[in-house]
Amino acid sequence: AQRVTQPEKLLSVFKGAPVELKCNYSYSGSPELFWYVQYSRQRLQLLLRHISRESIKGFTADLNKGETSFHLKKPFAQEEDSAMYYCALQTGANNLFFGTGTRLTVIP
Amino acid sequence: KAGVTQTPRYLIKTRGQQVTLSCSPISGHRSVSWYQQTPGQGLQFLFEYFSETQRNKGNFPGRFSGRQFSNSRSEMNVSTLELGDSALYLCASSLGTGGFEKLFFGSGTQLSVL
Repeated sequence: AQRVTQPEKLLSVFKGAPVELKCNYSYSGSPELFWYVQYSRQRLQLLLRHISRESIKGFTADLNKGETSFHLKKPFAQEEDSAMYYCALQTGANNLFFGTGTRLTVIP
Repeated sequence: KAGVTQTPRYLIKTRGQQVTLSCSPISGHRSVSWYQQTPGQGLQFLFEYFSETQRNKGNFPGRFSGRQFSNSRSEMNVSTLELGDSALYLCASSLGTGGFEKLFFGSGTQLSVL
């Protein structure tokens, strides 16, 4: 069965420090992974997706099939990065399995 | 371009009642999917509709149903409400052309069952 695990419910870092939000998945097929973000009082929105191999707002994520991980990283955290981050695995037509989320707080 | 619109924003119902939630996708989007968000279970997939047909379904009881109209608007219905149905219900739309698409989420309908 498919599963997405985000081991940290809360994560606090100082502004300018590196940040890494962990995500591990379990899926027998070929995974398609995403990071979604929800800023305060805003809608859930796509941050980045594995297939695009893009960097959004300085965030990157690399799929490691050996470790079944898709950790989200940013070298220098900004205050505006404070938000709820969800890792998600897509297995079918718009069928996303979400992790429980990590609340990131960037301390000024 | 208007975003995904969900109505109503808040709902209060009592156990045993039924409820209908509405979702209007972004213009041109033909796929609508529904998610339930609770503090304990997080975000869980309910179902997805494309061209008025349910293409995918999550592990929810039959009390949860949905439909999609020819204009791609979608409704979700929950019958015989239980206390545990209290949640934020999110819908998301996408083009529906296949593959792994970017989903655009609405603000949600907050359902409280008393």
